[in-house]
Amino acid sequence: GENVEQHPSTLSVQEGDSAVIKCTYSDSASNYFPWYKQELGKGPQLIIDIRSNVGEKKDQRIAVTLNKTAKHFSLHITETQPEDSAVYFCAASRSDRDDKIIFGKGTRLHILP
Amino acid sequence: DGGITQSPKYLFRKEGQNVTLSCEQNLNHDAMYWYRQDPGQGLRLIYYSQIVNDFQKGDIAEGYSVSREKKESFPLTVTSAQKNPTAFYLCASSIAGQPDYGYTFGSGTRLTVV
Repeated sequence: GENVEQHPSTLSVQEGDSAVIKCTYSDSASNYFPWYKQELGKGPQLIIDIRSNVGEKKDQRIAVTLNKTAKHFSLHITETQPEDSAVYFCAASRSDRDDKIIFGKGTRLHILP
Repeated sequence: DGGITQSPKYLFRKEGQNVTLSCEQNLNHDAMYWYRQDPGQGLRLIYYSQIVNDFQKGDIAEGYSVSREKKESFPLTVTSAQKNPTAFYLCASSIAGQPDYGYTFGSGTRLTVV
């Protein structure tokens, strides 16, 4: 089955700098890669996703890149702000069968003042 | 507004007692999921259901039970057989057969054994 590895587990960046979180997946048939943000005491929320027919997707300060050959994808947050502090989860799934989304273990992002 | 509601937000249980966590959605989603979250452990799947009256065990189903009598509802019972039930529990839903439309999560229930 699919396995998703996420790094780093903790990341601290200065406010205004960029943050990058990286994930790898094992199932080459996976074709959907969502990213979730979880604030303290709340449920995860989808912030951006990418499908395997696209190499990069951007939404304001966040972007996701996908390298299908290497089976890795990354989340990039530019001009970080205090409200970006949260736990971020990457995930992978395949749409050719009725299956579950597989999550990485999460990255705790701290934005330093 | 459509969404997924978990209740209660906080729950306290004495050792040896069963307790049921509620999850209700009005998104018309067929699939529903229960996850357990412990510090540093990410999201671990307990049970999931793709359709009414059917459900499957996830990775850590021991000590838990579920039912899916209605499309909108997927309650989770934490039984006395669950040795370490203190955790944050998350319910999610999705369009069945279309995992590439993502999950919608509830706001969670924090269960504490006292």
